[in-house]
Parts: sequence; structure tokens; C-alpha cells
Amino acid sequence: ILNVEQSPQSLHVQEGDSTNFTCSFPSSNFYALHWYRWETAKSPEALFVMTLNGDEKKKGRISATLNTKEGYSYLYIKGSQPEDSATYLCAFAMNTGFQKLVFGTGTRLLVSP
Amino acid sequence: ETGVTQTPRHLVMGMTNKKSLKCEQHLGHNAMYWYKQSAKKPLELMFVYNFKEQTENNSVPSRFSPECPNSSHLFLHLHTLQPEDSALYLCASSQDRGGDNSGNTIYFGEGSWLTVV
Repeated sequence: ILNVEQSPQSLHVQEGDSTNFTCSFPSSNFYALHWYRWETAKSPEALFVMTLNGDEKKKGRISATLNTKEGYSYLYIKGSQPEDSATYLCAFAMNTGFQKLVFGTGTRLLVSP
Repeated sequence: ETGVTQTPRHLVMGMTNKKSLKCEQHLGHNAMYWYKQSAKKPLELMFVYNFKEQTENNSVPSRFSPECPNSSHLFLHLHTLQPEDSALYLCASSQDRGGDNSGNTIYFGEGSWLTVV
């Protein structure tokens, strides 16, 4: 059974704080690691799809790194804003079935003004 | 607006009812998915369709019956469900490039909240 772990489960920060979350996944049969942002009452929104060990991706104030050999990815948010409040999901795809994403339970972020 | 539209957004049904969830994607994608989000559980893949053909059934009970008449539309037919089937059902689509290492970004709809009473 594939296991994707995310930590912390929830996080409450003040506006302007920088923060980071962790996603742990199996280090074998790696194909891709996805990050999604899911705001309440909206659809999950793709942030990054990472496929290469050592990948670093950036989108505005959000960035992510990938280590496939040890099976982890970090998501960083610099200068958090209230609109960053959401649940951040990671999902692992194996090379034996790259469409079969296995999701973590997410990190719920609340940014207070 | 992700280009994936789901209806209805909310559905309440009895255990003996037959109902359907509908999904339409306007992205020209060739793969479509059903996912289930139960309380306190991760998003769980149910079915995958590629070019209208079902390529994955993740051990889903037969009371859930998917249908994909074309690459743009996906249905989930519901029959004799149980209260524990109450959940958020998400449809998604992607452009399957056959594993070209681009990662296969998946686009989700907003989901259909299902309550079985």
C-alpha cells in the first residue's frame, strides 16, 4: 500500500510569515510529484508537477523542491498572505501507473491578517 | 474556472434511489477521472478513462457505475448507495501524453457533494 504523508496537518501563521510544508512519498518507482492548493468550495488547483530529482519550481511567492532519492518534497510560501489560506495537497505518481495519483491528507494553512 | 464542470453541486438521495453525477471538460483532454473525498481521508482515485475506455477501476463497488460516452463527458451512476458513501465526488481531466515525463497535470472540477440518507 502506497503511503504519502504530509506534515504538519495544520498551520496557523501571521501575515508576512514565511512557512514550509513537507510531503513524504515512496522513493521507488517514482514518476512525478504533484502539489495542489485547495481553497474551500473551490476545485483543487495545480501548483507544480515535479518529475526530476533536484527540481526546484517557483510560482510567485510559492516554491517547491524535490528529492526523489530520499522521497520528500518541500513547499515554501514566502511572506504569507490571507489569500494563501487553503489546504495544500501533494500527490505521488508511480512510473507503473502515472495517472493513478496517491494523495496525502494535506496541510491546512490559515494566514491571519 | 478550471474548464471542468460538475453537476449537480449538491445531491441528497435515499438508499433506494438511482441518480447520476455529470462531468464535462472543455479543455480538449483525452483522460477523465472520478475521485472521492471522504471526511478525514485523502482524495481517493475511483476510475480512470482514456479515450472513452475505462483503464482503471480502483476496486470500486458496483453500486457506482461510470459511463464515458466521449472524451468530454463523464458520468457516475449511483444506485442503492449506503450512508457511508456520502462524500465529495470530484471529476478531473488531463491530457495524457503517454508518459513523456511532463508529469500529466490533472485539472479538477469543484465537486459534487453527495449525501445518502
